[in-house]
Amino acid sequence: DGGITQSPKYLFRKEGQNVTLSCEQNLNHDAMYWYRQDPGQGLRLIYYSQIVNDFQKGDIAEGYSVSREKKESFPLTVTSAQKNPTAFYLCASSIRQGKETQYFGPGTRLLVL
Amino acid sequence: EDQVTQSPEALRLQEGESSSLNCSYTVSGLRGLFWYRQDPGKGPEFLFTLYSAGEEKEKERLKATLTKKESFLHITAPKPEDSATYLCAVQARGGNTPLVFGKGTRLSVIA
Repeated sequence: DGGITQSPKYLFRKEGQNVTLSCEQNLNHDAMYWYRQDPGQGLRLIYYSQIVNDFQKGDIAEGYSVSREKKESFPLTVTSAQKNPTAFYLCASSIRQGKETQYFGPGTRLLVL
Repeated sequence: EDQVTQSPEALRLQEGESSSLNCSYTVSGLRGLFWYRQDPGKGPEFLFTLYSAGEEKEKERLKATLTKKESFLHITAPKPEDSATYLCAVQARGGNTPLVFGKGTRLSVIA
């Protein structure tokens, strides 16, 4: 089955710790995205990538970093500089950036210990 | 600045009671408007894309319509399994513009 997988489903972060969220897709999509979802708020864009080895900041990139070394993978690192990381993180992909529909993964819930 | 406002925030319906959800938007030239369904603790599931005013799309009990200022998601004779949060997003024309999401409408259908 083609789709987007995210792992882990739940992630716990200690103070001062960097954590990495995984996102993999086998849809052969060029573009990938990371969003953050907080209760009562719309999805907010963290980073997006149109092609391998290229990515751009979204609206709330501070405290986050990404890499795009392979077409299938777009991991997100939540650094210690992100002071309020507790949220539901969603990865999405589209055939290409700009027009095509975005399809979402199942999400990772990040909690702070 | 592109904006999306969804109303109502929450809607409670009896099974079989038809209704509509609203998505009002302001955007500098619409490239596309998207509807998603999201169940608690899960990722959004794609429902529809609408590109121009007057366009309509249907899927089972759902029908999405689009005007120059808003979109409606009509739910006909809803069932309890239609209970979810429905998200609306818009994309503006020009370059590589990102999606802008509304906060969603939380729908509860009671048997």
